[in-house]
Amino acid sequence: GIQVEQSPPDLILQEGANSTLRCNFSDSVNNLQWFHQNPWGQLINLFYIPSGTKQNGRLSATTVATERYSLLYISSSQTTDSGVYFCAVHRRGSQGNLIFGKGTKLSVKP
Amino acid sequence: ETGVTQTPRHLVMGMTNKKSLKCEQHLGHNAMYWYKQSAKKPLELMFVYSLEERVENNSVPSRFSPECPNSSHLFLHLHTLQPEDSALYLCASSQDRVSVIPSSYNEQFFGPGTRLTVL
Repeated sequence: GIQVEQSPPDLILQEGANSTLRCNFSDSVNNLQWFHQNPWGQLINLFYIPSGTKQNGRLSATTVATERYSLLYISSSQTTDSGVYFCAVHRRGSQGNLIFGKGTKLSVKP
Repeated sequence: ETGVTQTPRHLVMGMTNKKSLKCEQHLGHNAMYWYKQSAKKPLELMFVYSLEERVENNSVPSRFSPECPNSSHLFLHLHTLQPEDSALYLCASSQDRVSVIPSSYNEQFFGPGTRLTVL
């Protein structure tokens, strides 16, 4: 099956710093989503981005489908950005279930 | 209510109990999913329903039994669970289940989850 690898696994930042999270996937995809999981377990949709670039406030994402990777940029990080960031993909031709990476755990210190 | 809701949010049960998890989506979607998140393991799919028909069972033990009475509601019936079944159970929905080309209709939206502890 398709492999989804996220890096780094853990990231500690000082408030105000910028960061880049990476997601590599091993096959062509129809769907790629970035999520933020808060401390209570809720998965919050950040981006639906199978290709191209999107921006939403301090967050932006880029997916280069031909090279099978996606990047999530967080600028001017805040303590509320802490949590786990997941990349999930739906392999082209599959039945629709998302395959998740193991996540990047982000801690933003005041 | 908006989005995807799940009840209960927390559940503690013994191995001989029978309980049910409920999920409701208020988005007018046609596909619903159950995922399991165990400690230190990636989220993994358990079941997929599309237009109330189960289309995928990801080799889940029979002690987990899903039910989808209509496109807005999804249940997960639990019986004779094991302590290793303790996990966060997440429900999700999407407009459609699968498409040939990338489509925002495949974007999945998640509920807040039910944190299950089996004693």
